[in-house]
Amino acid sequence: EDKVVQSPLSLVVHEGDTVTLNCSYEVTNFRSLLWYKQEKKAPTFLFMLTSSGIEKKSGRLSSILDKKELFSILNITATQTGDSAIYLCAAYNTNAGKSTFGDGTTLTVKP
Amino acid sequence: NAGVTQTPKFRILKIGQSMTLQCAQDMNHNYMYWYRQDPGMGLKLIYYSVGAGITDKGEVPNGYNVSRSTTEDFPLRLELAAPSQTSVYFCASSYSGTGTLQVQHFGDGTRLSIL
Repeated sequence: EDKVVQSPLSLVVHEGDTVTLNCSYEVTNFRSLLWYKQEKKAPTFLFMLTSSGIEKKSGRLSSILDKKELFSILNITATQTGDSAIYLCAAYNTNAGKSTFGDGTTLTVKP
Repeated sequence: NAGVTQTPKFRILKIGQSMTLQCAQDMNHNYMYWYRQDPGMGLKLIYYSVGAGITDKGEVPNGYNVSRSTTEDFPLRLELAAPSQTSVYFCASSYSGTGTLQVQHFGDGTRLSIL
């Protein structure tokens, strides 16, 4: 059975701090690791990672995948209150055509 | 510019009632998914479909049924509502294939309470 574990489950920081969110996976026929951000409603896409060691970057957010150790991290530098959200990671099983999601990390950024 | 549309947005049911949650997408995606999200938890896959006429169970299918007669629509049916089915339900769709085709596009969710 495919499995994705995220840590920590929740995190409270102050504006300007840097945070690292972790995601480990055990997925057969693994194709890619995806990160989503969920605020009030639907999750929205952040990054997709398919190759080890190649960092994806978007502004203050960056992510990297280690396919040997089966994990990914999402970094957020100089956090802002608008970064407060649930961050979900999902591992895609290409044969089944579906993703398995972790339980998410709830990030709260205080002013 | 609709994307994935879910109806209704909110619903309260009594135990034992039945209802259908509607999901429609206008992006010509072949893959569609139903998830539930309980408070403080991630997304649990209920059912999914890789094309019209094809459906498969996810992690938590008990108490639900689906059908996929067209590419656009993927309704989720609750036959005998139970309090354990109180949750937020998300429908999503994607293309098959490689690269960012795998990215799922989500509807805004249906908040369902069973009393």
